Amino acid sequence: AQSVSQHNHHVILSEAASLELGCNYSYGGTVNLFWYVQYPGQHLQLLLKYFSGDPLVKGIKGFEAEFIKSKFSFNLRKPSVQWSDTAEYFCAVKGGGADGLTFGKGTHLIIQP
Amino acid sequence: EAGVVQSPRYKIIEKKQPVAFWCNPISGHNTLYWYRQNLGQGPELLIRYENEEAVDDSQLPKDRFSAERLKGVDSTLKIQPAELGDSAVYLCASSERVGTQYFGPGTRLLVL
Repeated sequence: AQSVSQHNHHVILSEAASLELGCNYSYGGTVNLFWYVQYPGQHLQLLLKYFSGDPLVKGIKGFEAEFIKSKFSFNLRKPSVQWSDTAEYFCAVKGGGADGLTFGKGTHLIIQP
Repeated sequence: EAGVVQSPRYKIIEKKQPVAFWCNPISGHNTLYWYRQNLGQGPELLIRYENEEAVDDSQLPKDRFSAERLKGVDSTLKIQPAELGDSAVYLCASSERVGTQYFGPGTRLLVL
């Protein structure tokens, strides 16, 4: 079975700091990779996704992620965070014949003004 | 375009009672998913439908959980009887055949 590991469960940053959230997955075959975000009181929303092609993908709100196949990683980055980026971030993988998503446990990001 | 609709948003029941959750997917999305999200965890897939057919229910606890999608559109997930450990957020998602999954707001269940 697949697994997804998010290294940081809680991250606290100041506004304008740079962000990198780690995500590693276990499946060695072809995968589709996703980052979802859940703002306080809202439902899960897609930030960005990787299916194929350029391993550096750009999403909404200035987020980007890089797929590194050799490291089984799909880390999320943002050069300068804002207070409104406070949310829960989930990395998810689809692959291995399973059509459902396998999620990591999430990273709770708090941005201090 | 309307998103995935779920109801109720919140439900509080006593253990051993039955409970049902309803989901209406995005129009035109053939694939529907039910996930359960425990506190502090990511969502976990319970069941996936392609139209009205359940094609992956391997993670559904079949002794007490059931689901249906009779006309291939909206879906109902039922728990009977509920146990304390069923307290969680139940999420519905939908997608086109091989597309991105879009999630509803979820139903937050508390079993007392």
